[in-house]
Amino acid sequence: GDSVTQMEGPVTLSEEAFLTINCTYTATGYPSLFWYVQYPGEGLQLLLKATKADDKGSNKGFEATYRKETTSFHLEKGSVQVSDSAVYFCALSLIKAAGNKLTFGGGTRVLVKP
Amino acid sequence: AAGVIQSPRHLIKEKRETATLKCYPIPRHDTVYWYQQGPGQDPQFLISFYEKMQSDKGSIPDRFSAQQFSDYHSELNMSSLELGDSALYFCASFRHSSRLSDTEAFFGQGTRLTVV
Repeated sequence: GDSVTQMEGPVTLSEEAFLTINCTYTATGYPSLFWYVQYPGEGLQLLLKATKADDKGSNKGFEATYRKETTSFHLEKGSVQVSDSAVYFCALSLIKAAGNKLTFGGGTRVLVKP
Repeated sequence: AAGVIQSPRHLIKEKRETATLKCYPIPRHDTVYWYQQGPGQDPQFLISFYEKMQSDKGSIPDRFSAQQFSDYHSELNMSSLELGDSALYFCASFRHSSRLSDTEAFFGQGTRLTVV
């Protein structure tokens, strides 16, 4: 079946450090890939997305490239801030006859210390 | 732009009571997903609907039921509430499309249910 695997947290970093969160997927079709972010006490928000191989999604200094050959969509940010402390979820979406199917990874909690 | 609306935002219930949570998707979105997120936990998929029919089922307890109505809003009905049902419940909506660029899910702010 379809699944998303992301690195377990928590990830603790100092401000201005480099952040990488690994995400790999298995899918029965050609998925779109997403990173969602959940700040404390809030719902999920879309951070970035990519809909085809080699696409790079970017937003707020975060980037992720759709790598079909390695079935990966790793999230990176060159210099994190305290405000980036959140839980990050990798997800895929597949077009199905019975409605699009959304599959999440387990989430990675990131804590950025000043 | 219109977003996904969930109501109520907060709900306090006693054990063994019932609760109804509502989700209003973005206009023209035909797919709704429900998730349960316990304190410090990852979201757990409960159930989904496409065009008013159940499309997928996850770890939804038998005490819970849900449906999608003709206007595409969805309701999650929870009966015989237990302390362990205390969680953030949120829904996601998207529009079934064959275009990859339309496959993004939009999330509501969630309903925080506290069972006492």
